[in-house]
Amino acid sequence: TQLLEQSPQFLSIQEGENLTVYCNSSSVFSSLQWYRQEPGEGPVLLVTVVTGGEVKKLKRLTFQFGDARKDSSLHITAAQPGDTGLYLCAGAMEYGNKLVFGAGTILRVKS
Amino acid sequence: NAGVMQNPRHLVRRRGQEARLRCSPMKGHSHVYWYRQLPEEGLKFMVYLQKENIIDESGMPKERFSAEFPKEGPSILRIQQVVRGDSAAYFCASSPLAGSETQYFGPGTRLLVL
Repeated sequence: TQLLEQSPQFLSIQEGENLTVYCNSSSVFSSLQWYRQEPGEGPVLLVTVVTGGEVKKLKRLTFQFGDARKDSSLHITAAQPGDTGLYLCAGAMEYGNKLVFGAGTILRVKS
Repeated sequence: NAGVMQNPRHLVRRRGQEARLRCSPMKGHSHVYWYRQLPEEGLKFMVYLQKENIIDESGMPKERFSAEFPKEGPSILRIQQVVRGDSAAYFCASSPLAGSETQYFGPGTRLLVL
């Protein structure tokens, strides 16, 4: 059973389209982090959200943390081929430091 | 400003051999985490260490796996008598503070057991 459900698993879109990736859980997290991972490399941190209801923007990427700190979303506006990659959400449990990862979303943006 | 460093990047072992994976955290970071990414699966927590202490090893297999983070030198993840099921990417992450919400990952070590 996946503690952090991430959807969709795969996403193939045309350049210029918008998309949203979701991470949902029945557990409360003290924070949630989004990473992007390229083949053969380690996850690269995009953002950390800590406060319930928090919204952070990173250029064309918008991250939101749910009010109850159980879910999060990543929205990409006007996707570009350079956005292609694996996107991972990871939640930090209240009682410890270890991260619980979602299964990931493979995004492919076609030009 | 070096990030988290891991070596080797690729490691090939035959069944029954030992694998040693090394991780040097970012400068100023004293907390190290190891994660494993099996083929077609997500990253799974293995162990959390501070200098000379294992804080949480709840994700470590009970046998053949051990980890250390000595006072001097890198953190080591050691796998004894490797089996094919150990083939995976092993990632190390570090953070500057206990309870820090953000972990920074290294490039990983890809272990292949023949």
